[in-house]
Amino acid sequence: GQSLEQPSEVTAVEGAIVQINCTYQTSGFYGLSWYQQHDGGAPTFLSYNALDGLEETGRFSSFLSRSDSYGYLLLQELQMKDSASYFCAVRDNRDDKIIFGKGTRLHILP
Amino acid sequence: NAGVTQTPKFQVLKTGQSMTLQCAQDMNHNSMYWYRQDPGMGLRLIYYSASEGTTDKGEVPNGYNVSRLNKREFSLRLESAAPSQTSVYFCASSEVRAYNSPLHFGNGTRLTVT
Repeated sequence: GQSLEQPSEVTAVEGAIVQINCTYQTSGFYGLSWYQQHDGGAPTFLSYNALDGLEETGRFSSFLSRSDSYGYLLLQELQMKDSASYFCAVRDNRDDKIIFGKGTRLHILP
Repeated sequence: NAGVTQTPKFQVLKTGQSMTLQCAQDMNHNSMYWYRQDPGMGLRLIYYSASEGTTDKGEVPNGYNVSRLNKREFSLRLESAAPSQTSVYFCASSEVRAYNSPLHFGNGTRLTVT
């Protein structure tokens, strides 16, 4: 089966950097994705890692270590609009199943 | 270009009633998914379909049925609704096993079962 673990809540200060970790267990791995969801909205795609290393997209970066079954999302220059929930998700390369973690609520203090 | 369209947006059912949630995508994606979201539980996969004509159970399939009507449409049916099925339901689509192909989500259906 598949399972993902991520912290339930993280708090950071506006303008700072925050890292949200995700560890996963899966039988067939095709990649780790990150999604953002604001209250009342639908999840939206942020980043994807299929290979080890860092992917950068503007203020957001995502890292993957396949040997450690571990990844993280890094948010820089935090803005109040980044207050949201963040989900990691794994894609199974055998059947295309996509499973999500329970999400990390990011609180940003002014 | 509408993306993923879900109907209805809101629904209230009485225990034991049935209903079908509709989902359609216009991106020519092969894979489609149904998730439910409850507070503190994240997004849990109910059923998914990797291609037209195939469906597979996800993490929480009990009490639900699905139909992949064609490549565009993937419906979720509750045959006899229960209060435990009160949730927000999201449909999503993606290219199958494609590198860096994200999930595109609909806006969700907020279902209350009394």
